[in-house]
Amino acid sequence: DTAVSQTPKYLVTQMGNDKSIKCEQNLGHDTMYWYKQDSKKFLKIMFSYNNKELIINETVPNRFSPKSPDKAHLNLHINSLELGDSAVYFCASKGTAYGYTFGSGTRLTVV
Amino acid sequence: AQSVTQLGSHVSVSEGALVLLRCNYSSSVPPYLFWYVQYPNQGLQLLLKYTSAATLVKGINGFEAEFKKSETSFHLTKPSAHMSDAAEYFCAVSEGNQGGKLIFGQGTELSVKP
Repeated sequence: DTAVSQTPKYLVTQMGNDKSIKCEQNLGHDTMYWYKQDSKKFLKIMFSYNNKELIINETVPNRFSPKSPDKAHLNLHINSLELGDSAVYFCASKGTAYGYTFGSGTRLTVV
Repeated sequence: AQSVTQLGSHVSVSEGALVLLRCNYSSSVPPYLFWYVQYPNQGLQLLLKYTSAATLVKGINGFEAEFKKSETSFHLTKPSAHMSDAAEYFCAVSEGNQGGKLIFGQGTELSVKP
């Protein structure tokens, strides 16, 4: 069983569309994150939830909206997609002793 | 504010040679430090982490790193490089507060020549 799973793995969409990326973890962790990896491979935190509560909201356009229906799921919805949103988005969860587990990523391409 | 600097965006070594990837951090409190590896088109895999126990940390695939508080460094080493080590390596820091977020360095691409 995959510990942190993201769907879809690849997403190609046109500018202006709205899309969602889903993330699920089966590790029992309380804290989940979204990270963005840009074309230069730089990784930056976007959001974090702890047991369904938003605790980190970095400087991200409000077109990005995370949602956590329960502590095992953290989804990312993006409105009005722009070319600059093209990136790889990683979901992660954190357990005890600072054990972070990352998903395999979702490569978003906006055309 | 915490930050991480990785010296050298690209490092090239010969197979069998020593691998040394440099990482310096800035943190106002004792940090937690991590090294991750990313193979092409894959996710992030934890190599090792320092969480205030032993300063010399051993990880997977023969890698190790030493926490040096006086130098604010956490360099990654491997005695003998394999072709399969070619990948992108990221150093990261977490201060344990601020939601435990990870702050990543810019990454170092390791190439291994036959």
